[in-house]
Amino acid sequence: AQKITQTQPGMFVQEKEAVTLDCTYDTSDPSYGLFWYKQPSSGEMIFLIYQGSYDQQNATEGRYSLNFQKARKSANLVISASQLGDSAMYFCAMREGIVGNQFYFGTGTSLTVIP
Amino acid sequence: SQTIHQWPATLVQPVGSPLSLECTVEGTSNPNLYWYRQAAGRGLQLLFYSVGIGQISSEVPQNLSASRPQDRQFILSSKKLLLSDSGFYLCAWSVGAGAVDGYTFGSGTRLTVV
Repeated sequence: AQKITQTQPGMFVQEKEAVTLDCTYDTSDPSYGLFWYKQPSSGEMIFLIYQGSYDQQNATEGRYSLNFQKARKSANLVISASQLGDSAMYFCAMREGIVGNQFYFGTGTSLTVIP
Repeated sequence: SQTIHQWPATLVQPVGSPLSLECTVEGTSNPNLYWYRQAAGRGLQLLFYSVGIGQISSEVPQNLSASRPQDRQFILSSKKLLLSDSGFYLCAWSVGAGAVDGYTFGSGTRLTVV
């Protein structure tokens, strides 16, 4: 089974609107971390936001928030007030366990912000 | 502050030629280091990771190899490139290997094998 699933290959959003990028995960380990990365056309992977499995509150970083629904095993990224510079690929990722070198990535969602 | 350097940024190499991509980290000691490959329009595939000097773990059998000659240096190599080696190569480091330890990525190398 896929550890990280991103079901939206491509998304479009109007500038200044909010958009939600979906991510579901699969793990039996009670300790895990969920991450979102942005990859603009330049290729660099930029860390956006982190959510720990034991965190009680949803993570927020500026215009980014993570809608963490533990029972549903989903970790959707919400971008508020979209900007043209938000157009990029977005990857959801997970790391399991106390010590483990596996870092699982989803296949990504391509977001295009329309002016 | 910690920084990660990866070079070259782009590379065009003929089939059968050797390859050497270098990644160095500054501002930290004993980082965990990783090499990923991203094929066009695809996700990231872990190739190698290293938890210390001389310690290399390979995730996928392939035409590539990795070495860590110094604590903060990670090198990806090939003796003879194949067309299928084309892709975007990303180096990354993390402080640890736990669930809270995210990656910091280098800027990537776009390799085209012709």
